[in-house]
Amino acid sequence: DAKTTQPTSMDCAEGRAANLPCNHSTISGNEYVYWYRQIHSQGPQYIIHGLKNNETNEMASLIITEDRKSSTLILPHATLRDTAVYYCIVPATDSWGKLQFGAGTQVVVTP
Amino acid sequence: DAGVTQSPTHLIKTRGQQVTLRCSPKSGHDTVSWYQQALGQGPQFIFQYYEEEERQRGNFPDRFSGHQFPNYSSELNVNALLLGDSALYLCASSSTGQVNEKLFFGSGTQLSVL
Repeated sequence: DAKTTQPTSMDCAEGRAANLPCNHSTISGNEYVYWYRQIHSQGPQYIIHGLKNNETNEMASLIITEDRKSSTLILPHATLRDTAVYYCIVPATDSWGKLQFGAGTQVVVTP
Repeated sequence: DAGVTQSPTHLIKTRGQQVTLRCSPKSGHDTVSWYQQALGQGPQFIFQYYEEEERQRGNFPDRFSGHQFPNYSSELNVNALLLGDSALYLCASSSTGQVNEKLFFGSGTQLSVL
């Protein structure tokens, strides 16, 4: 898996957008970027993934730079329920579902 | 539609004992992966089962073994428990042929070894 680097923690005010950065400078051309989050005492939850185009779903948006060396997960209107550890993962193309979780970013949404 | 279910929720064992954890995948999924999450760390891949066989394995000793049944459910067995085996054990399911890295996780089994 390509190595990823994320900030250890970040705070966000409720109702504001949360922008979570991730560096993956060693990513290969056909490797995807995946984001998961883990709310306390629960299993990780898939959020979104992308290759090179920006992606959006009901949970978040994913912006990948043109050189694909970094990406940003955007939670458009953070709520208290978005408080969680967010993981940025770049699996190898032959990983077949084997994910390498790093330490992730602890996001705390405050009222 | 039930998601991934794991049992038991919590378990307390003593050193040297053996433990079996169980997982039922999400409906329609045929692949089960197991992860270990120590306190304060990200989940670590143990192994993955597909078609009742171990397809991939992480860096875990042979004390960790598993099984997948014809209905795709799975068990994780740990023998000769050590204090360091205390962790949250997570099961994840996916469907081969679709997006392999889009995993659905259960809430886990919290194992405490005393």
